[in-house]
Amino acid sequence: GEDVEQSLFLSVREGDSSVINCTYTDSSSTYLYWYKQEPGAGLQLLTYIFSNMDMKQDQRLTVLLNKKDKHLSLRIADTQTGDSAIYFCAENRGGRRALTFGSGTRLQVQP
Amino acid sequence: DTGVSQDPRHKITKRGQNVTFRCDPISEHNRLYWYRQTLGQGPEFLTYFQNEAQLEKSRLLSDRFSAERPKGSFSTLEIQRTEQGDSAMYLCASSPRGALRDEQFFGPGTRLTVL
Repeated sequence: GEDVEQSLFLSVREGDSSVINCTYTDSSSTYLYWYKQEPGAGLQLLTYIFSNMDMKQDQRLTVLLNKKDKHLSLRIADTQTGDSAIYFCAENRGGRRALTFGSGTRLQVQP
Repeated sequence: DTGVSQDPRHKITKRGQNVTFRCDPISEHNRLYWYRQTLGQGPEFLTYFQNEAQLEKSRLLSDRFSAERPKGSFSTLEIQRTEQGDSAMYLCASSPRGALRDEQFFGPGTRLTVL
């Protein structure tokens, strides 16, 4: 995942909004994804966005895509302690099936 | 439980030994993927099957690694002559037939420790 970059750590207070950022390099990626990984658990797909969209909202989650800057963000509204986890962005370069993941952002939610 | 399952969940082996992992995808998912995840990193793609055909392999998949999906259902990943650098979490994922966006569902992983 060296070409998909994320900040390592984010700490927020319960009830605040969290914004997790990601930059990617391949403009030919057709979909971009956000996955969540809790300790000892597998990866859970949270949401995705098609590359010709700018924004997608899904309950507390909002994904913003800036194709010009190759920047993807995930906003979690009203962050809860249960949202504490590692969040990975991923792209499918060139429309391939294989996903390329970032190194993950650890979100810590403080009560 | 109808999710992706992997077996074993943990494997400890000595350097030089062979190990084999199994993945059972979600029923009727025709695509199956193997990834490797090391500590502090995101998953890295290893290989991908559509039905029984292995369609793509990463450069990470050295000659010591082999994956099969003989009947287009479960898959096995074998590592021969294990090295300490093989220590990682091995993740399996599957995705359904015909999906345009490749919504991959991951299993819990097999954690390999090579002593």
